[in-house]
Amino acid sequence: DVQLVESGGGLVQPGGSLRLSCAASGFTHSDHFIDWVRQAPGKGLEWVGRSRDRAYGFTEEYAASVKGRFTISRHDSSNSIDLQMNSLKTEDTAVYYCIRSPKIFGIYLMDVWGQGTTVTVSS
Amino acid sequence: DIQMTQSPSSLSASEGDRVTVTCRASQDIGNYLAWFQQKPGKAPKSLIYAASKLHSGVPSKFSGSGSGTDFTLTISSLQPEDSATYYCEQYKRYPLTFGGGTKVEI
Repeated sequence: DVQLVESGGGLVQPGGSLRLSCAASGFTHSDHFIDWVRQAPGKGLEWVGRSRDRAYGFTEEYAASVKGRFTISRHDSSNSIDLQMNSLKTEDTAVYYCIRSPKIFGIYLMDVWGQGTTVTVSS
Repeated sequence: DIQMTQSPSSLSASEGDRVTVTCRASQDIGNYLAWFQQKPGKAPKSLIYAASKLHSGVPSKFSGSGSGTDFTLTISSLQPEDSATYYCEQYKRYPLTFGGGTKVEI
């Protein structure tokens, strides 16, 4: 079965850093786009960023709100994808989801979601 | 950025009802639209892509339609397990953007 499991969430002070990890199973992550989406408490869904697959050189796209602070990286040895978050702000407090985004009918779109990991930025 | 506007923000319906949720894009997105279902305390689940195509395993009581700027999600014969918040998402252009969500209560 295709599964994504996020980890690494926790409490961090404003200005601090945190690294989230997304462990993929049932598929090879490098063959798929991977998206990160977050959800602030009581709010809707916000796209954070995307890592394209190996064929696209693992290039990335980011939301303006996190560009320059967040970075997505891949790890073949562990079949995992990380989200490195630096210069964290209180408004980054959210549940963070990683999502597999395969190519379906020529278009990359989200299908399988992880269960999420909670990040709290507070002093 | 493409703005996605959902309506209503919430609705209450009875078991067996047919329910429709609307999503409007601020510009033409063709059929690059997806729908997700999120139950309380759970991760979202992918329901529909390309405006009208069901993901594998999604029951046929869910259907989607529309193209361009106006889209609908319809749930036929509403059941208690359909109580959730439903989100639309455009994947025509970066940044990918979601609607604000529609909470469906039974």
